[in-house]
Amino acid sequence: GAGVSQTPSNKVTEKGKYVELRCDPISGHTALYWYRQSLGQGPEFLIYFQGTGAADDSGLPNDRFFAVRPEGSVSTLKIQRTERGDSAVYLCASSLTVRSSYNEQFFGPGTRLTVL
Amino acid sequence: QQQVKQSPQSLIVQKGGISIINCAYENTAFDYFPWYQQFPGKGPALLIAIRPDVSEKKEGRFTISFNKSAKQFSLHIMDSQPGDSATYFCAASVWGAQKLVFGQGTRLTINP
Repeated sequence: GAGVSQTPSNKVTEKGKYVELRCDPISGHTALYWYRQSLGQGPEFLIYFQGTGAADDSGLPNDRFFAVRPEGSVSTLKIQRTERGDSAVYLCASSLTVRSSYNEQFFGPGTRLTVL
Repeated sequence: QQQVKQSPQSLIVQKGGISIINCAYENTAFDYFPWYQQFPGKGPALLIAIRPDVSEKKEGRFTISFNKSAKQFSLHIMDSQPGDSATYFCAASVWGAQKLVFGQGTRLTINP
């Protein structure tokens, strides 16, 4: 079956520009996560959706970052007025939501964002 | 604040040897500890996970050892193979919080 897909795989933009990163989760997965992975570091949590709503957005670094999941499936991470420090690999993950167990997060290959 | 500290940053092991990666955590509310494996250009993939009610979990060549009092856990890879060469991340989570807190990663190289 298809895994988590992310588009584009690479995005190069100029400082100050707006970018959108897309995530298609595994079909049927109600939970969706965004992480950011800087070079040589572990993934850092940004935001978590349960269905259409953001259940936890405590990892978003500032108000330039915003994410939506309007129909409870595909999600878009939006970054306004990009800065060079935003350069990283943006990872999306999805999981089932089963209250009685821990739910494995399945990661996509990521979008590599480079801000010049 | 680095809530999960991982060591070493890089590790070179001969084929057939044992690879050991260590992690320490600060938040005593953490109650789920997974290890992820990441190959270049790919997203992390779950390798093995443990809850604090057991001290060890083994799956094939991979074993997690967990020391709750010391707030430490480790990954042991037995009979390490060149195909195990990858970056490994430990992580931790609080039940119900869903988000994972990752360590900095260990780049493992298995020499043939």
